[in-house]
Amino acid sequence: GAVVSQHPSWVICKSGTSVKIECRSLDFQATTMFWYRQFPKQSLMLMATSNEGSKATYEQGVEKDKFLINHASLTLSTLTVTSAHPEDSSFYICSADRVGGYEQYFGPGTRLTVT
Amino acid sequence: DQQVKQNSPSLSVQEGRISILNCDYTNSMFDYFLWYKKYPAEGPTFLISISSIKDKNEDGRFTVFLNKSAKHLSLHIVPSQPGDSAVYFCAASRLDQGAQKLVFGQGTRLTINP
Repeated sequence: GAVVSQHPSWVICKSGTSVKIECRSLDFQATTMFWYRQFPKQSLMLMATSNEGSKATYEQGVEKDKFLINHASLTLSTLTVTSAHPEDSSFYICSADRVGGYEQYFGPGTRLTVT
Repeated sequence: DQQVKQNSPSLSVQEGRISILNCDYTNSMFDYFLWYKKYPAEGPTFLISISSIKDKNEDGRFTVFLNKSAKHLSLHIVPSQPGDSAVYFCAASRLDQGAQKLVFGQGTRLTINP
């Protein structure tokens, strides 16, 4: 149990366009979903936290107007990178936790390349 | 401000021997600690965790030790197997704005040599 999927697994887009990444908890209902970013050979950095039906909470330094998060249901959260630039190229990973649990279960990640 | 640190970027261990991965933290508000295993271009996989009120948790070949006074935790893998080769991240959890948020260390690349 505790499977999280992400779609797409990789995407290439042109500067100025927007890209949407989906995160789904497949076999459980997620209390909270999280979005992380990882640069090569670096750690995972939390970008934002979201709960169903409420606004996302963004970490310091993360532009909320650039990284739009929608948490439509207990099993689905989406991250939209708006007006993407080459510096947004990165590995984006989502995670979800369960009611009463501390562990976060991670999706397989999405490699975004902006040309 | 690196609140969770893994000071060894890499570790090489002989198959069958013990692997010990270390992690230090600075924030005493962390109440739960976790270890994740990660392969390139994949999401982290949860391995084992420990509550701040305990000093040891064991699950098969994996044991995590917590020394709260030293703000130090370690992951022991014994015996080490080639399939254990991966990057290991320690993470510390704390309640922040209603959510249990994780802070990750930089990771340690473990290589198990046959």
